[in-house]
Amino acid sequence: AQRVTQPEKLLSVFKGAPVELKCNYSYSGSPELFWYVQYSRQRLQLLLRHISRESIKGFTADLNKGETSFHLKKPFAQEEDSAMYYCALVPVGGSYIPTFGRGTSLIVHP
Amino acid sequence: DTGVSQDPRHKITKRGQNVTFRCDPISEHNRLYWYRQTLGQGPEFLTYFQNEAQLEKSRLLSDRFSAERPKGSFSTLEIQRTEQGDSAMYLCASSLGSQGDEQFFGPGTRLTVL
Repeated sequence: AQRVTQPEKLLSVFKGAPVELKCNYSYSGSPELFWYVQYSRQRLQLLLRHISRESIKGFTADLNKGETSFHLKKPFAQEEDSAMYYCALVPVGGSYIPTFGRGTSLIVHP
Repeated sequence: DTGVSQDPRHKITKRGQNVTFRCDPISEHNRLYWYRQTLGQGPEFLTYFQNEAQLEKSRLLSDRFSAERPKGSFSTLEIQRTEQGDSAMYLCASSLGSQGDEQFFGPGTRLTVL
């Protein structure tokens, strides 16, 4: 069975500080990993996916298969980054059932 | 096309009643997902369709829950004999259906069972 763990329910930082939202996963096969974000009063939307190796809004995430992690990082947080962030895993080649973590609430103070 | 839509946005019902939710995906999307989300948790997978075929269903899904996507376009999720534990946000998402594709979420239907 696959599992996604986001150990922090809440992460509170000041504007300009670095941010790292942790995501650990367990899955015996090859996973696809995603970060989704939900801003206040908006619907859930994709932030980035590991296969794209892209930086979105200054955020990056590297898949570390050895540590089974997919942490989301940003060097300088902005107030508009305040939101709920969800890490998600989708199995490759098997049943296409996504598993989401419980989410981390990021609050960036001015 | 303004994205994935869900109807109703809110539903309050009494225990034991049946409820039905509707999801209209983005028109060219082949895959459609249903999730349930409770407070403090991430979306929990319920079921998904590839066109009109229901391909996967969560083992956690009670037989009181049923979903359809009759013509491969909109989908309905019905909950029979609702219980207080069914109170949650029900999310619908759609995607093109290729590997690693992005899911586009609807605004959700919030169900409250009294």
